[in-house]
Amino acid sequence: EADIYQTPRYLVIGTGKKITLECSQTMGHDKMYWYQQDPGMELHLIHYSYGVNSTEKGDLSSESTVSRIRTEHFPLTLESARPSHTSQYLCATRDGNTEAFFGQGTRLTVV
Amino acid sequence: RKEVEQDPGPFNVPEGATVAFNCTYSNSASQSFFWYRQDCRKEPKLLMSVYSSGNEDGRFTAQLNRASQYISLLIRDSKLSDSATYLCVVNPLTGGGNKLTFGTGTQLKVEL
Repeated sequence: EADIYQTPRYLVIGTGKKITLECSQTMGHDKMYWYQQDPGMELHLIHYSYGVNSTEKGDLSSESTVSRIRTEHFPLTLESARPSHTSQYLCATRDGNTEAFFGQGTRLTVV
Repeated sequence: RKEVEQDPGPFNVPEGATVAFNCTYSNSASQSFFWYRQDCRKEPKLLMSVYSSGNEDGRFTAQLNRASQYISLLIRDSKLSDSATYLCVVNPLTGGGNKLTFGTGTQLKVEL
């Protein structure tokens, strides 16, 4: 089993608030990813990182930002939450070209 | 055209049936391939990697056809607990080989 943790698991927050979703891993994997997934729909890559101080935008345009100051952490920030940001956010890690391991996800609801 | 394409299903099959899923990918230089399983409202979990020579894990068999650019997953003697969405995953060379591209998933429902 992979050691990857996401907090919070569930978040209900008001419009306009700043949110940071945490993702941490203890495996020393170089690659980390953020995906967004609506219920019953496909995964969309919104950000990824292939090492410290490297971040790239994914395939789906997102108003969120990420940082990778340490190998272990890859937080995702929304400066001003909107109802359209309501979704599940999944963090994943990967070592080289091997399989990816996912965290349990953060289910975000913006009211 | 999507980089990874799957039939969304749902595939409704009786318990004990054999079911096969196919997945096609567009990037011929793709490096690695996987099948993931995702249960409702849960995170995806690795089912099996797909090797060029094909590989088997119990009731599950995965195959790769590089010439035709498709991957298959065969499930034999299906169980109720196999009901889930099965995701085809490809590691293309775009993005420096750093990205994983997920298919939309194929939903399987195994019934009594």
